[in-house]
Parts: sequence; structure tokens; C-alpha cells
Amino acid sequence: AQTVTQSQPEMSVQEAETVTLSCTYDTSESDYYLFWYKQPPSRQMILVIRQEAYKQQNATENRFSVNFQKAAKSFSLKISDSQLGDAAMYFCAYRFSGGSQGNLIFGKGTKLSVKP
Amino acid sequence: NAGVTQTPKFRILKIGQSMTLQCTQDMNHNYMYWYRQDPGMGLKLIYYSVGAGITDKGEVPNGYNVSRSTTEDFPLRLELAAPSQTSVYFCASSYGGGGLAFFGQGTRLTVV
Repeated sequence: AQTVTQSQPEMSVQEAETVTLSCTYDTSESDYYLFWYKQPPSRQMILVIRQEAYKQQNATENRFSVNFQKAAKSFSLKISDSQLGDAAMYFCAYRFSGGSQGNLIFGKGTKLSVKP
Repeated sequence: NAGVTQTPKFRILKIGQSMTLQCTQDMNHNYMYWYRQDPGMGLKLIYYSVGAGITDKGEVPNGYNVSRSTTEDFPLRLELAAPSQTSVYFCASSYGGGGLAFFGQGTRLTVV
């Protein structure tokens, strides 16, 4: 069974600084997607960034970028120039691209605080 | 676009009561999902559907039922509420198993 592990329950960063959130996963599949979702206090699940496993190039979205290490099964999220609005729970998620379910498997999350 | 809409946003139930959480999407997505999120945990899959008339169990289906009579709607039924069902429930949809998942805003359910 696939699993996703986020080893940092909480992280803190100073405004304008850079922070990296860690995620590891376990799968025997070779074709899959990885995601980072942001969940602010409003509860809304917001997609931050997506990575296809077959792509070697790391995904980037403005201030958000990932370090995808397929052999190590590692998928970390880097937030540059942190802003107060980045404070939220961040969830790493895995999705197998084959099969019929298409469901996401989530880690337990990392709570990010941003200090002014 | 409304996207994925869940109702209600909050609900308090007494033990043994029943209720239906409503979920509707207007994106013509064929896949729909129900997840629950317990405190300090990630989301876990309750049930999913790959199209109208087709549903299947996820990781934590006990105590719940679903139906999918239309593409747009995917209600989740709790028959005999128990305190263990206190959680935040999310509905999501996607176009196919590989499509991006869009989430509703969640329903916070408390069973007392």
C-alpha cells in the first residue's frame, strides 16, 4: 500500500525568508503524481503545486518549488520570500496515475507559521 | 463557476441520528470522492464514484453509505451517528482518475 509521510508536524519561518517542508512516500509504482495542498483556517483545500513522476524537471509555481527525488522517494516543498498569507497546514499527497480509483493519499500535514 | 459545493458547512448531531451530507459539482466531472479529516491527520477516503450508478468503498467506509444517481450529485449518508464520526468531511471531484481534484469547502460534523 502507498503511504505518505510528513515528518515535521510544525514549522516556523520569518517573513521574507525561505522554508522547506519535507515529504517522503512509499510506492512500488513508477507512474504517479505528487501534490502539495495548502489548507488555511477556512478549511479550503488549495492546490499549490503538482509533479508528474515521469518528469525529471522540478515543478515551480511562482514562489513555490519542489525538490523531487524519485529514487529516494522524496518530495519537498520550498517556499521562497514567505508571506503572512502562507501560514496554513500543508499536505503532501500521492496519486497513482493508473488503476481506476484516482484517489489521493495524504500525509498528516505540516503546520506552517509565518512570523512578521 | 461554483465548482464543488457542499452543504451544510456545520452540523451537530446526537448519537444515533441520521443525516445526509450533500455534494454537487458543476464541472461535469465523472469521478467524485468523499474524504474525512480527523484532527492532526490527513484526509482519508470514505467512498468514491467513477460515474453515475457506480460507487465503491475507500479506506474508511464503515458507518457510511453513498449513491450516485446523477453526474452532478454525490450525497454521503450517515445512518446511526457515532462520536467516532466527528470529523471534517470533504467532497472532491475530478475528470478521470488522473485529472486535478477540486475540493468543496468541507462540512464540520460533531456527534454528541
